Amino acid sequence: AQSVSQHNHHVILSEAASLELGCNYSYGGTVNLFWYVQYPGQHLQLLLKYFSGDPLVKGIKGFEAEFIKSKFSFNLRKPSVQWSDTAEYFCAVNLNTGGFKTIFGAGTRLFVKA
Amino acid sequence: EAGVAQSPRYKIIEKRQSVAFWCNPISGHATLYWYQQILGQGPKLLIQFQNNGVVDDSQLPKDRFSAERLKGVDSTLKIQPAKLEDSAVYLCASSGGTGGNNEQFFGPGTRLTVL
Repeated sequence: AQSVSQHNHHVILSEAASLELGCNYSYGGTVNLFWYVQYPGQHLQLLLKYFSGDPLVKGIKGFEAEFIKSKFSFNLRKPSVQWSDTAEYFCAVNLNTGGFKTIFGAGTRLFVKA
Repeated sequence: EAGVAQSPRYKIIEKRQSVAFWCNPISGHATLYWYQQILGQGPKLLIQFQNNGVVDDSQLPKDRFSAERLKGVDSTLKIQPAKLEDSAVYLCASSGGTGGNNEQFFGPGTRLTVL
């Protein structure tokens, strides 16, 4: 069955530390890949997405993600986190199965210590 | 641009009661999604509409859940009768396109507690 795995459920970092959140999916066909973020008290919103072209994509607030097709991965990175990056991060994969179906990972809660 | 609106924001009911949630997507968005997010998990797609037609309802428990999108705009999701395991946040999202690379815009969700 198709699935999305996020390796870390909780991450605690100090400000200025580097961040990498893992995301792997199980599906051999065409995919579109997303990272969504939910800041405390706010709606889910798009951080970045990949659907074709350069596998290294840049999003808002200094985030980037790299699609590695051979590893079925789409890891999220940020070189230096800020306290305001405290949020929950969701990886989502949209599968082309004839129609389009979106599967979310379980999410990673990031807490950045000031 | 107004975002996705949902109501109510919170609902507490007893098991075996019925409940309905309402969603108003962003104006002009053709695709509307309902997700169920249980505590500690990611959103799980329940049903996806394109205009007023159902694209995917494979994970909708059809014995108790129903959804409609009249005139391709607003949508309602109903649970009848509710079970304890239905306690979750119900998210509505919309997107402007019909392809898989379109950003989904999410509403604030309805937090349902079933006692």
